Amino acid sequence: DADVTQTPRNRITKTGKRIMLECSQTKGHDRMYWYRQDPGLGLRLIYYSFDVKDINKGEISDGYSVSRQAQAKFSLSLESAIPNQTALYFCATSPSGNYGYTFGSGTRLTVV
Amino acid sequence: AQSVTQPDIHITVSEGASLELRCNYSYGATPYLFWYVQSPGQGLQLLLKYFSGDTLVQGIKGFEAEFKRSQSSFNLRKPSVHWSDAAEYFCAVGSNDYKLSFGAGTTVTVRA
Repeated sequence: DADVTQTPRNRITKTGKRIMLECSQTKGHDRMYWYRQDPGLGLRLIYYSFDVKDINKGEISDGYSVSRQAQAKFSLSLESAIPNQTALYFCATSPSGNYGYTFGSGTRLTVV
Repeated sequence: AQSVTQPDIHITVSEGASLELRCNYSYGATPYLFWYVQSPGQGLQLLLKYFSGDTLVQGIKGFEAEFKRSQSSFNLRKPSVHWSDAAEYFCAVGSNDYKLSFGAGTTVTVRA
């Protein structure tokens, strides 16, 4: 199994629908992150969590929410999806006090 | 706040030729700098990193990067490119609380 697993790998959804992207890790890392990747914009941080009770907004959190259900699980929700949320979404983990990031393989989300 | 600029969106290089990808950063303190590679359908993989010390750092897959404080640059190089180096490359800078900020990425195409 991969160290950082994202589900689903691909998803097409309709405008206005609620959707959840899930991330689970076996690295034992305290910190987890959600990024979105858009062509020409690189990866931008949506939300991050330094531990189960510490959740923080990143640079582009509007329209998104997260839940850290356990140390190993970090979910990203789009309450009402819109087409400009079409992107590749990455989950990442890192240990506290360390830049040892591990990335998942990504979830490609299309909102039609 | 820190930021990263990758001036080249797309580079095409012949197999066996040398490759240089440019990265400029903005950060008030001593920067923590990284290069990641993303192959199609994959997550990000760390190529190399610079924290301090020798300004020329060696990474995996034959890549190296040179930190130049006077130019606020951290350019990535490879002397001889292989077809498998076709990918998207991201430069990133780390903050004091271990968050990463990424550049927009450079796509490398390798022609036979």
